Amino acid sequence: EAGVVQSPRYKIIEKKQPVAFWCNPISGHNTLYWYRQNLGQGPELLIRYENEEAVDDSQLPKDRFSAERLKGVDSTLKIQPAELGDSAVYLCASRLTSPGELFFGEGSRLTVL
Amino acid sequence: TQLLEQSPQFLSIQEGENLTVYCNSSSVFSSLQWYRQEPGEGPVLLVTVVTGGEVKKLKRLTFQFGDARKDSSLHITAAQPGDTGLYLCAGPNTGNQFYFGTGTSLTVIP
Repeated sequence: EAGVVQSPRYKIIEKKQPVAFWCNPISGHNTLYWYRQNLGQGPELLIRYENEEAVDDSQLPKDRFSAERLKGVDSTLKIQPAELGDSAVYLCASRLTSPGELFFGEGSRLTVL
Repeated sequence: TQLLEQSPQFLSIQEGENLTVYCNSSSVFSSLQWYRQEPGEGPVLLVTVVTGGEVKKLKRLTFQFGDARKDSSLHITAAQPGDTGLYLCAGPNTGNQFYFGTGTSLTVIP
C-alpha cells in the first residue's frame, strides 16, 4: 500500500513568489494534517482536515497561506507571496482513526531566497 | 503553540551509554505518542501510551506515561548509532488537534 505522497520534495524560490505543495494521503484516511517544521524542531500544526472540511485552521497565517482539500482526498497548501521566514519543511500527514498513528510523507523542503 | 516541552533539546552520547528524554506539559493528555524522525524523512511512530503510569518497552527503548498524564519519558539503554535521530512526543488537545513537542535531537557516536 502506498504511503503519504508529497510533491515537490524540494523547492527554491525568491521572496514574493508563490509556491504550492501537494499531498496525497493514504487511501481511506479521512483526517489530513499540514505541519511546518524548522530544522531540529518539532512540527508545528498549520491545519487539520476531516474529509473536505477544515476543522481548525487557527494556526494558519491566513494573510499569505491557503489550503484546500477538494473531494476529501488530495490536498494543496499554497503560500503567496512567500517570505524569507517561510523557509522550512512542510509535512503532510494522514490518519485513519483517533487516536491513532499519524503517517507522514517525506515532506517538501522550501527555501526562500 | 508548543504545549509539549521536551528536554534536553540536544543530546550527544557515546555508543553504549544510557539516556532519558523528557516530555512535559501543564495540560492533561488522553494519550501520548513518541515518534522518531531521520533526516529527510517524516516522523515514524514508536509507541502510544494511554493509561497514567503505563510503561511500554520496545527492545532497548522504555516509555513511561506520567501518573497524571501530563508528562512522559523515553529511556534508551545501551544506545546504538542507529538510534540517532530527532525524537518527538505528540498528543491530542481537547479539540483533537495533534500537537508535537519541541523535539530532542540525539546523536550516538560510534
